[in-house]
Amino acid sequence: GQQLNQSPQSMFIQEGEDVSMNCTSSSIFNTWLWYKQEPGEGPVLLIALYKAGELTSNGRLTAQFGITRKDSFLNISASIPSDVGIYFCAGHNYGQNFVFGPGTRLSVLP
Amino acid sequence: NAGVTQTPKFRVLKTGQSMTLLCAQDMNHEYMYWYRQDPGMGLRLIHYSVGEGTTAKGEVPDGYNVSRLKKQNFLLGLESAAPSQTSVYFCASGTGYTGELFFGEGSRLTVL
Repeated sequence: GQQLNQSPQSMFIQEGEDVSMNCTSSSIFNTWLWYKQEPGEGPVLLIALYKAGELTSNGRLTAQFGITRKDSFLNISASIPSDVGIYFCAGHNYGQNFVFGPGTRLSVLP
Repeated sequence: NAGVTQTPKFRVLKTGQSMTLLCAQDMNHEYMYWYRQDPGMGLRLIHYSVGEGTTAKGEVPDGYNVSRLKKQNFLLGLESAAPSQTSVYFCASGTGYTGELFFGEGSRLTVL
Protein backbone atom coordinates (compact mmCIF):
# COMPACT_ATOMS: atom_id res chain seq x y z
CA GLY A 1 0.00 0.00 0.00
CA GLN A 2 0.86 3.66 0.00
CA GLN A 3 3.73 4.59 2.30
CA LEU A 4 5.26 7.67 3.79
CA ASN A 5 8.98 8.00 4.40
CA GLN A 6 10.20 9.47 7.65
CA SER A 7 13.71 10.53 8.50
CA PRO A 8 15.67 10.07 10.53
CA GLN A 9 14.55 6.62 11.67
CA SER A 10 15.90 7.33 15.14
CA MET A 11 17.86 10.03 16.87
CA PHE A 12 19.69 10.57 20.12
CA ILE A 13 20.03 14.15 21.28
CA GLN A 14 21.14 16.04 24.36
CA GLU A 15 18.57 17.77 26.51
CA GLY A 16 18.21 21.37 25.38
CA GLU A 17 19.01 20.67 21.72
CA ASP A 18 16.63 21.39 18.88
CA VAL A 19 15.22 18.50 16.82
CA SER A 20 14.18 18.33 13.19
CA MET A 21 12.46 15.46 11.42
CA ASN A 22 10.64 15.17 8.15
CA CYS A 23 8.13 13.13 6.25
CA THR A 24 7.91 12.69 2.49
CA SER A 25 5.46 11.11 0.10
CA SER A 26 5.17 10.34 -3.58
CA SER A 27 1.53 11.43 -3.40
CA ILE A 28 -0.17 14.72 -2.61
CA PHE A 29 -2.10 15.12 0.62
CA ASN A 30 -4.60 17.76 1.70
CA THR A 31 -3.89 17.24 5.38
CA TRP A 32 -0.71 16.43 7.23
CA LEU A 33 -0.75 15.30 10.85
CA TRP A 34 1.94 14.71 13.42
CA TYR A 35 1.48 12.27 16.31
CA LYS A 36 3.59 11.31 19.30
CA GLN A 37 3.47 7.86 20.85
CA GLU A 38 4.92 7.15 24.27
CA PRO A 39 5.69 3.59 25.43
CA GLY A 40 2.54 1.63 26.17
CA GLU A 41 0.27 4.40 24.94
CA GLY A 42 -1.66 5.24 21.81
CA PRO A 43 -0.56 7.97 19.38
CA VAL A 44 -1.55 11.46 20.48
CA LEU A 45 -2.21 14.19 17.94
CA LEU A 46 0.33 17.03 18.18
CA ILE A 47 -0.32 19.22 15.16
CA ALA A 48 -2.65 19.17 12.17
CA LEU A 49 -1.85 21.08 8.97
CA TYR A 50 -4.46 21.88 6.32
CA LYS A 51 -2.88 24.23 3.81
CA ALA A 52 0.22 24.04 1.63
CA GLY A 53 2.93 26.26 3.07
CA GLU A 54 1.21 26.47 6.44
CA LEU A 55 3.44 26.82 9.48
CA THR A 56 1.82 25.91 12.80
CA SER A 57 3.19 25.92 16.33
CA ASN A 58 2.12 24.12 19.48
CA GLY A 59 4.35 25.21 22.34
CA ARG A 60 7.89 24.11 21.52
CA LEU A 61 6.70 22.21 18.46
CA THR A 62 6.53 23.72 15.00
CA ALA A 63 5.34 21.91 11.90
CA GLN A 64 5.15 22.91 8.28
CA PHE A 65 3.04 21.70 5.38
CA GLY A 66 5.35 21.50 2.38
CA ILE A 67 4.53 23.74 -0.58
CA THR A 68 4.44 20.74 -2.93
CA ARG A 69 1.93 19.01 -0.58
CA LYS A 70 4.20 15.98 -0.65
CA ASP A 71 6.13 16.61 2.53
CA SER A 72 5.99 17.97 6.05
CA PHE A 73 8.50 18.90 8.74
CA LEU A 74 8.37 18.84 12.52
CA ASN A 75 10.76 20.78 14.72
CA ILE A 76 11.08 20.57 18.50
CA SER A 77 12.96 23.35 20.22
CA ALA A 78 14.91 23.05 23.46
CA SER A 79 14.19 19.34 23.95
CA ILE A 80 13.37 17.96 27.39
CA PRO A 81 13.30 14.36 28.68
CA SER A 82 9.53 14.06 28.28
CA ASP A 83 9.92 14.56 24.52
CA VAL A 84 11.06 10.93 24.32
CA GLY A 85 8.83 8.81 22.13
CA ILE A 86 8.03 7.87 18.56
CA TYR A 87 6.84 10.62 16.26
CA PHE A 88 4.57 9.61 13.40
CA CYS A 89 3.48 11.64 10.43
CA ALA A 90 0.24 10.91 8.61
CA GLY A 91 -1.22 12.12 5.35
CA HIS A 92 -4.91 12.33 4.59
CA ASN A 93 -7.23 13.21 1.74
CA TYR A 94 -10.96 13.58 2.30
CA GLY A 95 -12.80 10.34 1.60
CA GLN A 96 -9.63 8.27 1.76
CA ASN A 97 -7.87 6.43 4.54
CA PHE A 98 -4.96 7.82 6.50
CA VAL A 99 -1.42 6.91 5.45
CA PHE A 100 1.15 6.70 8.25
CA GLY A 101 4.90 6.92 8.25
CA PRO A 102 7.02 4.32 10.08
CA GLY A 103 7.95 6.83 12.79
CA THR A 104 11.02 8.59 14.12
CA ARG A 105 12.19 7.33 17.51
CA LEU A 106 13.52 10.17 19.66
CA SER A 107 15.75 9.66 22.67
CA VAL A 108 16.77 12.59 24.86
CA LEU A 109 19.91 12.25 26.94
CA PRO A 110 20.10 14.28 30.17
CA ASN B 1 -13.04 13.29 28.85
CA ALA B 2 -12.90 9.61 27.96
CA GLY B 3 -12.25 10.06 24.21
CA VAL B 4 -11.55 6.63 22.74
CA THR B 5 -11.63 3.69 25.15
CA GLN B 6 -10.47 0.17 24.35
CA THR B 7 -11.14 -3.01 26.30
CA PRO B 8 -9.43 -5.21 27.24
CA LYS B 9 -5.98 -3.66 27.55
CA PHE B 10 -4.21 -7.03 27.60
CA ARG B 11 -5.20 -10.52 26.55
CA VAL B 12 -3.45 -13.84 26.06
CA LEU B 13 -5.09 -16.40 23.80
CA LYS B 14 -4.30 -19.89 22.66
CA THR B 15 -4.23 -20.65 18.95
CA GLY B 16 -7.75 -21.25 17.70
CA GLN B 17 -9.53 -19.33 20.43
CA SER B 18 -11.83 -16.44 19.63
CA MET B 19 -12.17 -13.03 21.20
CA THR B 20 -13.61 -9.57 20.69
CA LEU B 21 -11.98 -6.20 21.25
CA LEU B 22 -14.33 -3.36 22.08
CA CYS B 23 -13.78 0.26 21.13
CA ALA B 24 -16.01 3.03 22.44
CA GLN B 25 -15.84 6.74 21.59
CA ASP B 26 -17.79 9.58 23.14
CA MET B 27 -17.00 12.27 20.55
CA ASN B 28 -19.91 11.49 18.22
CA HIS B 29 -17.48 10.65 15.42
CA GLU B 30 -18.77 9.02 12.26
CA TYR B 31 -15.50 7.35 11.29
CA MET B 32 -13.89 4.58 13.32
CA TYR B 33 -10.83 2.46 12.57
CA TRP B 34 -8.94 -0.57 13.79
CA TYR B 35 -5.16 -0.66 13.30
CA ARG B 36 -2.50 -3.10 14.31
CA GLN B 37 1.01 -2.03 15.19
CA ASP B 38 3.95 -4.36 14.86
CA PRO B 39 7.65 -3.57 15.33
CA GLY B 40 9.09 -1.99 12.21
CA MET B 41 5.72 -2.11 10.40
CA GLY B 42 4.08 1.07 11.61
CA LEU B 43 0.30 1.28 11.81
CA ARG B 44 -1.62 -0.94 9.42
CA LEU B 45 -5.34 -0.56 8.83
CA ILE B 46 -7.42 -3.69 9.48
CA HIS B 47 -11.01 -2.52 9.02
CA TYR B 48 -12.84 0.76 9.22
CA SER B 49 -16.34 2.19 9.38
CA VAL B 50 -17.72 5.41 7.95
CA GLY B 51 -20.92 5.28 9.97
CA GLU B 52 -23.28 3.16 12.04
CA GLY B 53 -24.07 -0.11 10.29
CA THR B 54 -21.22 0.17 7.77
CA THR B 55 -17.82 -1.53 7.67
CA ALA B 56 -15.07 -1.85 5.08
CA LYS B 57 -11.79 -3.72 4.68
CA GLY B 58 -8.48 -2.05 5.16
CA GLU B 59 -4.96 -3.09 4.30
CA VAL B 60 -4.76 -6.30 6.40
CA PRO B 61 -8.34 -7.59 6.99
CA ASP B 62 -7.79 -11.36 6.80
CA GLY B 63 -8.61 -13.23 10.01
CA TYR B 64 -10.62 -10.35 11.48
CA ASN B 65 -14.26 -9.31 11.47
CA VAL B 66 -15.85 -6.10 12.67
CA SER B 67 -19.26 -4.71 13.53
CA ARG B 68 -20.61 -1.19 14.06
CA LEU B 69 -24.09 -1.70 15.47
CA LYS B 70 -23.99 1.55 17.42
CA LYS B 71 -22.33 4.77 16.34
CA GLN B 72 -20.18 4.95 19.45
CA ASN B 73 -18.92 1.35 19.36
CA PHE B 74 -16.68 -0.54 16.94
CA LEU B 75 -15.95 -4.20 17.66
CA LEU B 76 -13.01 -6.20 16.31
CA GLY B 77 -13.35 -9.97 16.38
CA LEU B 78 -10.89 -12.78 15.93
CA GLU B 79 -12.76 -16.00 15.17
CA SER B 80 -9.75 -18.35 15.32
CA ALA B 81 -6.66 -16.64 16.68
CA ALA B 82 -3.27 -17.35 15.14
CA PRO B 83 0.22 -16.50 16.47
CA SER B 84 0.60 -14.06 13.54
CA GLN B 85 -2.14 -11.98 15.16
CA THR B 86 0.04 -11.23 18.17
CA SER B 87 0.20 -7.47 18.07
CA VAL B 88 -0.90 -4.22 19.64
CA TYR B 89 -4.29 -3.15 18.36
CA PHE B 90 -5.39 0.47 18.24
CA CYS B 91 -8.82 1.87 17.71
CA ALA B 92 -9.22 5.39 16.38
CA SER B 93 -12.07 7.72 15.53
CA GLY B 94 -12.52 10.93 13.58
CA THR B 95 -15.02 13.14 11.80
CA GLY B 96 -13.65 12.35 8.35
CA TYR B 97 -13.77 16.06 7.53
CA THR B 98 -10.98 17.69 9.52
CA GLY B 99 -8.60 14.83 8.92
CA GLU B 100 -7.84 14.54 12.62
CA LEU B 101 -7.75 11.07 14.10
CA PHE B 102 -7.93 10.23 17.80
CA PHE B 103 -6.53 6.97 19.16
CA GLY B 104 -7.29 4.73 22.10
CA GLU B 105 -4.55 3.49 24.41
CA GLY B 106 -4.19 0.15 22.68
CA SER B 107 -4.92 -3.51 23.37
CA ARG B 108 -1.97 -5.84 23.57
CA LEU B 109 -2.84 -9.32 22.31
CA THR B 110 -0.61 -12.36 22.55
CA VAL B 111 -1.54 -15.58 20.78
CA LEU B 112 0.34 -18.66 21.97
